[in-house]
Amino acid sequence: EVQLVESGGGLVQPGGSLRLSCAASGFSISIYSMNWIRQAPGKGLEWVSYISPTSSTIYYADSVKGRFTISRDNVKNSLYLQMNSLRAEDTAVYYCARQDVFDLWGRGTLVTVSS
Amino acid sequence: DIQVTQSPSTLSASIGDTVTITCRTSQSVSRWLAWYQQKPGKAPKLLIYKASNLESGVPSRFSGSGSGTEFTLTIISLQPDDFASYYCLQYNSNSRMFGQGTQVAIK
Repeated sequence: EVQLVESGGGLVQPGGSLRLSCAASGFSISIYSMNWIRQAPGKGLEWVSYISPTSSTIYYADSVKGRFTISRDNVKNSLYLQMNSLRAEDTAVYYCARQDVFDLWGRGTLVTVSS
Repeated sequence: DIQVTQSPSTLSASIGDTVTITCRTSQSVSRWLAWYQQKPGKAPKLLIYKASNLESGVPSRFSGSGSGTEFTLTIISLQPDDFASYYCLQYNSNSRMFGQGTQVAIK
């Protein structure tokens, strides 16, 4: 089955760090760009970051630039998001999604930033 | 950054109605605009890409149109399964941006 599965979410204190993973199965991510998108509780969708197939091009939303780092391991068929200096406003469900048009999404992983 | 304004934020409709949702962008995005449906507790689902291309498996009652800065999603003959939230996304620029979302509710 073609799917994406996120993991690594949880409760973290403000200023803390967390690393999210997104494992792909049923296809190889090596030929696809990948993205992270988040959704705060009861709010709309916010694109977070993009990475090209070879990691040569990376983009971030202004809200996370300098704090979050996207990366990928095409051999492990996985995508990652290293989140540092976390703030309360980073609390959200984090989704990974495939390609520029986000044609395939995972179910998401909840990150809660709270003391 | 290219801003996206989606309207309306909510709309009430009945089964069988035709509904239209609009997204406007602050600069031209050519046809690099997509539409998604999201149900509570679920991940969004791609409906339309490149303004008017129907994603595989999506019912033909969904259609998209527009180019440049103005785009519409139209749902004809609204079905019970269509009551959900809808989002547009511009993916023309380095900074992708979603619209604020439209909740389609039962009248």
